[in-house]
Amino acid sequence: SSELTQDPAVSVALGQTVRITCQGDSLRNYYASWYQQKPGQAPILVVYGKDDRPSGIPDRFSGSSSGNTASLTITGAQEDDEADYYCNSRDKSGNFWMFGGGTHLTVL
Amino acid sequence: EVQLVESGGDLVQPGRSLTLSCTASGFTFDNYGMHWVRQAPGRGLEWVSGISWNSGTIGYADSVKGRFTISRDNAKNSLYLQMNSLTAEDTAVYYCAKYISVGNVGYFDNWGQGTLVTVSS
Repeated sequence: SSELTQDPAVSVALGQTVRITCQGDSLRNYYASWYQQKPGQAPILVVYGKDDRPSGIPDRFSGSSSGNTASLTITGAQEDDEADYYCNSRDKSGNFWMFGGGTHLTVL
Repeated sequence: EVQLVESGGDLVQPGRSLTLSCTASGFTFDNYGMHWVRQAPGRGLEWVSGISWNSGTIGYADSVKGRFTISRDNAKNSLYLQMNSLTAEDTAVYYCAKYISVGNVGYFDNWGQGTLVTVSS
């Protein structure tokens, strides 16, 4: 099906590692990109491609992919990382784009 | 510095039309595909529409196909979204986003701050 599935919510203890996953058939053909969004703000790109970060994004953010699943890993989570995270990909046809439902990350 | 500034959001009655604009600066606008993404109150991101650098390829989400029209004017560094037959389900913040695509890698590297569209009687 043409959709991306994310867990609605994940929590992590301060300084620990957390993985946020995104599942979808299109991820066998296209890499996911990942966006962080804080309340009242526009999304910002944090990871794209195989495992690339825009300038200014801390290296504690990393990406990976296997089969139909893409993952965003935060190694050593900080309070500032508490936010909603969305994955995005083209659909299998390449003619449409879609976002996952989003994962709310709580840093305890 | 890349800047994307949306405008045109408003309170509009159901069934009416509205056109959004996005003015770009800080990059060569006609080198990039551009997209609209929306977010209903308390909901997640939803891709709405995208247009290639030369307007040769255009796509729409099923939820807006036949009602919304995306266009761009490269001479004015501007992206547009004409929205017709609006319903309450179209109420959202609308973001424009610059898209980069290389093979099977694609991403929205810059986003505007959004413009709010409220559809209500």
